[in-house]
Amino acid sequence: NAGVTQTPKFRILKIGQSMTLQCAQDMNHNYMYWYRQDPGMGLKLIYYSVGAGITDKGEVPNGYNVSRSTTEDFPLRLELAAPSQTSVYFCASSNQDGGANVLTFGAGSRLTVL
Amino acid sequence: DAKTTQPTSMDCAEGRAANLPCNHSTISGNEYVYWYRQIHSQGPQYIIHGLKNNETNEMASLIITEDRKSSTLILPHATLRDTAVYYCIASSRGGATNKLIFGTGTLLAVQP
Repeated sequence: NAGVTQTPKFRILKIGQSMTLQCAQDMNHNYMYWYRQDPGMGLKLIYYSVGAGITDKGEVPNGYNVSRSTTEDFPLRLELAAPSQTSVYFCASSNQDGGANVLTFGAGSRLTVL
Repeated sequence: DAKTTQPTSMDCAEGRAANLPCNHSTISGNEYVYWYRQIHSQGPQYIIHGLKNNETNEMASLIITEDRKSSTLILPHATLRDTAVYYCIASSRGGATNKLIFGTGTLLAVQP
């Protein structure tokens, strides 16, 4: 049981390039989330999904796209990378359990845009 | 979801109890209080959550005041490995939009 797996761990992009951050979970969780964390700051929610085929915007969705074709995978795509997207990205998943929402996080993907 | 307020930082001596406060004065009756922690750039780790009653697990205890306007996370015997940023979050139970919004948390420094 690997939990939540994120790839790559590190990536450097040039301005204007595109890339996809991968996230996979093997816990059969319905909910999945993408957060970003800038240096010295808390986590900001980018996008989330409540199940396959359903996604919705979080606090900071501009410049990103997501898809959820399977329960296990929730990739985050960056189009036209900008320096403001330099951050650490965390994927998380959860299941509702008696109303509570307990998230399991991945180890993070550190992205630098130059 | 209710806004939470935490001190920016706290110190604690190794082996002593660490008591981390959180104010959530606008919390509604259907909102849980969650605690997570983040150790040096790792992914956040779930600690504990509660609705009305005090809760205890193998990691910590959560004390919620009777009016639910504040809570305290207690690490009974802090170790150096407990040095981390601790996040207190209030979020509605259930529903398709039950997403957790993280603030800036409390940096707990456990001193030898």
